[in-house]
Amino acid sequence: TQLLEQSPQFLSIQEGENLTVYCNSSSVFSSLQWYRQEPGEGPVLLVTVVTGGEVKKLKRLTFQFGDARKDSSLHITAAQPGDTGLYLCAWNTGNQFYFGTGTSLTVIP
Amino acid sequence: DAGITQSPRHKVTETGTPVTLRCHQTENHRYMYWYRQDPGHGLRLIHYSYGVKDTDKGEVSDGYSVSRSKTEDFLLTLESATSSQTSVYFCAIRDTDRGLGEAFFGQGTRLTVV
Repeated sequence: TQLLEQSPQFLSIQEGENLTVYCNSSSVFSSLQWYRQEPGEGPVLLVTVVTGGEVKKLKRLTFQFGDARKDSSLHITAAQPGDTGLYLCAWNTGNQFYFGTGTSLTVIP
Repeated sequence: DAGITQSPRHKVTETGTPVTLRCHQTENHRYMYWYRQDPGHGLRLIHYSYGVKDTDKGEVSDGYSVSRSKTEDFLLTLESATSSQTSVYFCAIRDTDRGLGEAFFGQGTRLTVV
């Protein structure tokens, strides 16, 4: 059983469109992290959300932590080809990092 | 750049042979991790280390062993490679200098077992 379920698994959209990807669990987390992985590279941290209901913005990316701290979402406004990649949510336990199944995003020019 | 180097970057090996992957870091981080990445599974933890000679199992540790004799090196060994171990392997460190802690990854090793 995967601790962190992400949806959708694959997403292909046109440049300029908006999208939202989700990270869900039945567990409560003290914090969640979002990473982006480009082809041939390792994942890179985008953001850490800590407080239930918290919203963080990173340029065109908006991250939200659910009120109950069981889920998180990533919304991208006006997607660009440079946003293409694998988006992973992760739980930092203090000793380990557990990663979700990932959403593979392709933005078509 | 967290100064993480994985070697080799690519390897093809035969079933039943031993394989060792190396992860080298230059910044003296205490925690190091080995993950494997497969389609539909995200990143799964194999083993991790919290200091020299201190290691623990992750969720997919069967068929793998690790060693850490120096702070900077974390080795992953497949004692007898199987086709199910064909994967991309990532080494990571935990940077505790950044807030709640951030994982920095190497560039990965693509292993094919034929």
